[in-house]
Amino acid sequence: QVQLVESGGGVVQPGGSLRLSCAASGFTFSSFGMNWVRQAPGKGLEWVAFTRFEGGNKYYADSVKGRFTISRDNSKNTLYLQMNNLRAEDTAIYYCAKDQNWGLFDYWGQGTLVTVSS
Amino acid sequence: DIQMTQSPSSLSASVGDRVTITCRASQTISTYLNWYQQKPGKAPKFLISGASNLQSGVPSRFSGSGSGTDFTLTISNLQPEDFASYYCQQSYSTPYSFGQGTKLEIK
Repeated sequence: QVQLVESGGGVVQPGGSLRLSCAASGFTFSSFGMNWVRQAPGKGLEWVAFTRFEGGNKYYADSVKGRFTISRDNSKNTLYLQMNNLRAEDTAIYYCAKDQNWGLFDYWGQGTLVTVSS
Repeated sequence: DIQMTQSPSSLSASVGDRVTITCRASQTISTYLNWYQQKPGKAPKFLISGASNLQSGVPSRFSGSGSGTDFTLTISNLQPEDFASYYCQQSYSTPYSFGQGTKLEIK
């Protein structure tokens, strides 16, 4: 069965950096696009970034463009999110989500919490 | 960018009721509209794609409809496990966007 396991969350000071990972199993990782979606405490869902199956084209929400970088290692079945220059408003649970077909998020991980605070 | 607006933000209903949640896009998105269910402390679950296509394993009491800019999610014969938050999401173009959510509570 499809499994997505995020890691790398934690507490970081404003302006700091963090790298999230998402380990995938149960499907052919290299054949599917992948996304990061976040949810601030008590708030709704916000799409963050998408990478195509081969890691070529990448797309970002305006709120993170220039600060976050999505990448993947298909040899390790792992998705990454490098987050730089973090702000308080980036505090959220970050989910990785498998992309069934251009923006259809059919499987989600359990999420990892990122807290940006001094 | 496409804005998604859901209504109502919250809804109280009883087991056995039929409820409808609406979602409106700020521009036409054909049927590139998906629905998710989220229970407290859990990841979202994919329910419906393409406005009306139930994902495998989703009970038939869930149904979706609409095209263009106006969409609905209907849950018939509400069951205790259906009380959760529901989100619509457009996959017409990036940046992909979600509605603000509808919290369905037990009356």
